[in-house]
Amino acid sequence: KNEVEQSPQNLTAQEGEFITINCSYSVGISALHWLQQHPGGGIVSLFMLSSGKKKHGRLIATINIQEKHSSLHITASHPRDSAVYICASYSGGGADGLTFGKGTHLIIQP
Amino acid sequence: EAGVVQSPRYKIIEKKQPVAFWCNPISGHNTLYWYRQNLGQGPELLIRYENEEAVDDSQLPKDRFSAERLKGVDSTLKIQPAELGDSAVYLCASSPGGSTLYRETQYFGPGTRLLVL
Repeated sequence: KNEVEQSPQNLTAQEGEFITINCSYSVGISALHWLQQHPGGGIVSLFMLSSGKKKHGRLIATINIQEKHSSLHITASHPRDSAVYICASYSGGGADGLTFGKGTHLIIQP
Repeated sequence: EAGVVQSPRYKIIEKKQPVAFWCNPISGHNTLYWYRQNLGQGPELLIRYENEEAVDDSQLPKDRFSAERLKGVDSTLKIQPAELGDSAVYLCASSPGGSTLYRETQYFGPGTRLLVL
């Protein structure tokens, strides 16, 4: 059974800092997703990746297939980046869908 | 373009009562997902539809939960009777479909926050 672990669980940083959130999974994957959840529940998909690196604005996601590890980086962090960041992996085979981590609660202070 | 619509946004009921949640996916999206998210946890899949067919419902507690997507567009998730442990946020998501499974972006609705007393 695939398990997804995120670290840290909680992160508080100052505006402008470089942020790294880590995600480890136990089973080889077909796809890994990073999502953002704001207070009130709305979830937005940030990235889907299966190899390498993707960048969108100040967000960068990387994945190391051999080490079963992915990272989400935020450059020049801003208070509006405050949210819960969730990674989710799909190991293939169809059943059970995405396995979600518990999320990293990020607070960026002005 | 309208996003995924869910209603109601909040629901408070007493245990043993029935409750239903409604979801309208993004127009043209063939794949629809229902998730349950407990406090402090990530979402967990309850059921996935491809058009009107439920293709993955292995984690749906079928003794009290049911779902339908009769015309392959909007969907309803029902709980009858509700238990205290059903208190959670119920999320609906959709994706275009036609791509490799779980390798496409899912678009989430705002969720329905259920409290069972």
